Amino acid sequence: QVQLQESGPGLVKTSETLSLTCTVSGGSISPYYWSWIRQSPGKGLEWLGYVFYTGISKYSPSLKSRVTISVDMSKNQFSLKLSSVTAADTAVYYCGRHASAYNWFDPWGQGILVTVSS
Amino acid sequence: DIQMTQSPSSLSASVGDRVTITCRASQSIGTYLNWYQQKPGKAPKLLIYVASSLQSGVPSRFSGSGSGTDFTLTISNLQPEDFATYHCQQSYSMPTFGGGTKVEI
Repeated sequence: QVQLQESGPGLVKTSETLSLTCTVSGGSISPYYWSWIRQSPGKGLEWLGYVFYTGISKYSPSLKSRVTISVDMSKNQFSLKLSSVTAADTAVYYCGRHASAYNWFDPWGQGILVTVSS
Repeated sequence: DIQMTQSPSSLSASVGDRVTITCRASQSIGTYLNWYQQKPGKAPKLLIYVASSLQSGVPSRFSGSGSGTDFTLTISNLQPEDFATYHCQQSYSMPTFGGGTKVEI
């Protein structure tokens, strides 16, 4: 079955850009939507944005100016870039698949903890 | 944004109990409501989608109901492996999640 795996640095300096990649195995990037969701320590889940396999993306208004999500079909991967990070961006970042723009998420990656510190 | 409010934020229960968790949307979302189970250190796992459809492989003791603004997740005959945090998520518009309900022993 389809599996997702997040990868990237676990520590990012304040004001720099957080970059993560989600690798999809056991299935194709198309024809799905792919999202990034984060969970701050002890907090709830926050959707960051999605990319469609065609490259069309949509972002949460609260982060729109800082987030970019892109897809690389040749590598069966999609990526997250979050700029100008602060301590408030410290969280576990998950990637997830969905079948339409607004839908349930299944499956999810295992998650990766990213800590922002000076 | 559509705000999702879960209650209670935590509850204590025993094996064999029937547990009900409530999720309320700030506006009508039809049946575009999904439920997830999350265990410590793990990713959320889809349990129920579109309010009442059971995801494949999920035990039948889990059930969901509701429409409009008010939804419930019910776990009948609580099992030891069901102690976890449960999240609701609306998929009517830009996804938002409830704050979670921790089910403890």
